This record gives sequence, structure tokens and C-alpha cells, in this order.
Amino acid sequence: AQSVAQPEDQVNVAEGNPLTVKCTYSVSGNPYLFWYVQYPNRGLQFLLKYITGDNLVKGSYGFEAEFNKSQTSFHLKKPSALVSDSALYFCAVRENGGATNKLIFGTGTLLAVQP
Amino acid sequence: GAGVSQSPSNKVTEKGKDVELRCDPISGHTALYWYRQSLGQGLEFLIYFQGNSAPDKSGLPSDRFSAERTGGSVSTLTIQRTQQEDSAVYLCASSYGRSTYNEQFFGPGTRLTVL
Repeated sequence: AQSVAQPEDQVNVAEGNPLTVKCTYSVSGNPYLFWYVQYPNRGLQFLLKYITGDNLVKGSYGFEAEFNKSQTSFHLKKPSALVSDSALYFCAVRENGGATNKLIFGTGTLLAVQP
Repeated sequence: GAGVSQSPSNKVTEKGKDVELRCDPISGHTALYWYRQSLGQGLEFLIYFQGNSAPDKSGLPSDRFSAERTGGSVSTLTIQRTQQEDSAVYLCASSYGRSTYNEQFFGPGTRLTVL
């Protein structure tokens, strides 16, 4: 079965420090990977995606993610965290082999950035 | 431009009642998705519409759930005889075209509480 795992329920980081939010995936065929962020009482906002090409993908708000095929990972990173980055982050993979482009989501990681 | 909108933002209902949730996708987006976000369950796919094609209903949890999309635009998700386990945030998303690569844009969600 195709799946996404986010092993950390919560990540705590001090403002100004680098942050990493982990994601691993299991999918048949080529993975199409996405990161979304959810602020309180808001819908999900698209951050970035990996389709093909460079393993380092840059996205919104200074975030980037590194695709690692051998480790089946797609970790989200930011060189310097802001308090305003505090939110719930979801990794997702497009389901392969189906007629839809539905996304399979991880369970989410709550990022808490302390001032 | 306008994003995906959903109404109502909050809905409280009694067990056994029917509810209707509405989604207005981004203009020009042919693909429309419904997801459900429950505490401890993450985000799960419910149903997918693409243009005039038959919808993919594979994620609907029971026959109490149904959805329609009129004129290729607005969609309504209906839950009949609601149960307490239906309590969740229902998210709608839309994307442009049929491409695998296109990200989905999410609405703010409808929070459904079944008493």
C-alpha cells in the first residue's frame, strides 16, 4: 500500500535555528511529493512539490525540501526558523496507479518555534 | 484571485439529521476533491470529480455519504443520518486540469460537529 510517514508528532525549535520536518514515503513507481502547511482554523496551503529533476526543491516562505530516493525521504527544511512558521505541516504523495490524482497524507507534524 | 470557498464554516447538528456542505472551487479548475480531517486520523480522501467524467467515490466511508457537482463547478457533499463519528473538518480542494503535477488548492474547511 502507498503511504506517507511523518515520524514526529511535534518539532520544537528556537527562532533563528534551522528546522527539519521529516517525511518518508512508500509508493510504487515514481513519487510525486508535496508539502502543505495548515495554520490554526485555516485550510491547507501549498508549500512545494517534487515531480522530477533537482533533488532540492525550493518553495514558499523560504522553505525547501530534499528528495532522497535511496532513503525514500522528502524532509522539509528551513535555514532559519521564524515564530510565524509555527503551524501544522503535512507531507503528501500522489497516489500512483489510480485514475485520480488524490493525495495520500501523513498524519502531520506540529512545528513550534520558540522566540 | 478568489480561492476555494466553503460553507458553512461551522455546522452543529444532532445525530440522525442530514447535512449539506458546499464547496466553490477556483474558477477554471476542472478537478475537485473532498477530504476529511479527523483528530487522530489525519486527512483522508473522500471523492474526486474531474470535468464531466464519472466521479471517483472510492473514499466515501458509507452509503450515507454522497456528493454531486453541478455544471462542473460548485459541489455539495451530503451526509445523511449523521453519526457522532462523522464529526470532523471537511476540506474541499481544486486543481487545474488533469495533470499529475498540479498542486491542489484547499478551502478553509467546514467543521462538522454531530451531537
